[in-house]
Amino acid sequence: QSALTQPASVSGSPGQSITISCTGTSSDVGAYNFVSWYQHHPGKVPKLMIFEVSNRPSGVSNRFSGSKSGSTASLTISGLQAEDEADYYCSSYTSSDTRVFGGGTRLTVL
Amino acid sequence: EVQLVESGGDLVQPGGSLRLSCAASGFSFSNSWMHWVRQAPGKGLVWVSYINSDGSSTSYADSVKGRFTISRDNAKNTVYLQMSSLRAEDTAVYYCARDKAYAMSVWGQGTTVTVSS
Repeated sequence: QSALTQPASVSGSPGQSITISCTGTSSDVGAYNFVSWYQHHPGKVPKLMIFEVSNRPSGVSNRFSGSKSGSTASLTISGLQAEDEADYYCSSYTSSDTRVFGGGTRLTVL
Repeated sequence: EVQLVESGGDLVQPGGSLRLSCAASGFSFSNSWMHWVRQAPGKGLVWVSYINSDGSSTSYADSVKGRFTISRDNAKNTVYLQMSSLRAEDTAVYYCARDKAYAMSVWGQGTTVTVSS
């Protein structure tokens, strides 16, 4: 159950777009369309931003979008805003009937 | 309002046991799968365990298998995590979360477990 691979940090200026990658294997990300993304402001409760690769829960801004190619999923945030600064985690269902998270990516809005 | 409230976190000695509870309200708990996820200090989120709606199916991370047991009481709208043989590396904030389409759609505020002598 190795963690999915995410970049430790990404940054962007307000108004720009950024993409966070999430690389897994043929036993998790590559095998299922059950990839989800979470936003976590330190000290707060994690928030679901994307489920099933590209679906947004009600209330989540359409500036957030998800995609997948092979064993790599991606989260794109367009029109960066100061409040987007947070930690972001991907997660996937696995062939062992477990879940696995990525190591997390710290987004800095410059 | 959909709400999850965890409790039971405490300071416990290595080798000790603890039971966490997560009380649910505002949604159909008996039809929901539930997860436990933890975050050690300064570290990322780590999935711990899940249980299906009637408790007949469970799954665990390798790091806790054989030491932790997830269970639920649908009459009390509560999910539990029984933790035994606790280690220092189990120190973390433990969150419960509701499953939706294999994602964790609603999270509680977390309860803190500290394993130390």
